[in-house]
Parts: sequence; structure tokens; C-alpha cells
Amino acid sequence: DIQMTQSPSTLSTSVGDRVAITCRASQSISTWLAWYQQKPGKAPRLLIYKASSLQSGVPSRFSGSGSGTEFTLTINSLQPDDFATYYCQHYNNFPWTFGQGTKVEIK
Amino acid sequence: EVQLVQSGAEVKKPGESLKISCKGSGYRFTSYWIAWVRQMPGKGLEWMGIIYPGDSDTTYSPSFQGQVTISADKSISTAYLHWSSLKASDTAMYYCARRINYGGLDVWGQGTTVTVSS
Repeated sequence: DIQMTQSPSTLSTSVGDRVAITCRASQSISTWLAWYQQKPGKAPRLLIYKASSLQSGVPSRFSGSGSGTEFTLTINSLQPDDFATYYCQHYNNFPWTFGQGTKVEIK
Repeated sequence: EVQLVQSGAEVKKPGESLKISCKGSGYRFTSYWIAWVRQMPGKGLEWMGIIYPGDSDTTYSPSFQGQVTISADKSISTAYLHWSSLKASDTAMYYCARRINYGGLDVWGQGTTVTVSS
């Protein structure tokens, strides 16, 4: 199975900051990667698919980059609504796997 | 509106069986894969498996193979997750979600909480 490792596990930051979350795959997954946002008590929300494609309705301050084994989710000018946990997930082959999550919290 | 609506919360005893459901609406149910995802209390997301309702082609994560059964009834646009004998460790929130053509899960059910306790 392909392992997905996110860093950091927790990010303490402030409104207006630029945030970057890294996701590394244990082997190449091309660009078959998605990013999700999850708030407490809610289902996850798709933000980015195919590593860098913005899902419809997602604010443009979210962006994704990378290919192969290293990927980044960037949030420009963090807004109060963005404090949440973020997960990467590969879909290169079965079984799909998620990263362990990165919690973005208020400093 | 495209949506997935899951069945309600369940409280069961160890050893009991359970089937939870996920009903799709607002789109052609048979044309999109449906995945199941587990989230144990306070933990991250785990991909359990996926089914294509058009022909019931199913793949499981090795971690869940033999532990659950995923099925679908395309005549009523519903996918299912079934346990034949629940354990306390099955206590979790379970989500169904639709796969989009370029990958990723774009529409999620609201989740079904399963509590297994004696």
C-alpha cells in the first residue's frame, strides 16, 4: 500500500497568514492526489483534485501543487473559516489512502 | 441538487449484524463510484472500499477485506455497508462519498454514527 505522510501535524497560525501543508507519498502517484478540509462534526469537503485542480465553489486562496511523491496545499491569506483539519488522499491505485491530517489552529 | 443521504445512527451490541445505507439523488447513480470511509472517534479518515453501482464491481482496502461487505441496489440508488458480527472496535463515524471522474470524492453523505457496546 502507498503511505501518505503529512507535515506538520498541527499548525498554529493567524488570520491573514500564508499556510503550506506538505504531503509525501511512499512511491510515485503522478498527480493522483486530492485535498480535503474537515471541520468538527462535519463531513470532509473536497478542495483540490488531480494535485492542482480547484474544485468548483472552493475559494481561490486555496491552491495545490506537486507531482510524483511530494505535494503541497497552500492557503493564501488564511480566513477565520479556514481553521480546520486538512487531509491529503491518493487515488493512484487501490487501496486509496489518506494522510494522517493536519490541524490548522488559531495561534 | 446532488446529494448522498445516509441512514441514521445505530447502537448495537458486539456480535450483532448491521447494514447502513447511502442513497444518492440528483445524478445518475449508476455512473459514479461510491466509496466508504471510516473515522474513529478523534482520529483521521480511513478508506474502506469502493463500489461501482452500475455493475457492483467492488474493491476493498486490505484492512477491511473480510470485515465488511459493500453492496449496492441500483434500482433504488442506494449503496450499503454491512457487518455480520460487530465488534466494539467498529465504533466510528462512517461516510459514503461519490468519486468524480478525475478522482477525489466530491459529494459526501452526512455520516452514520455506529456505536457498538455491551
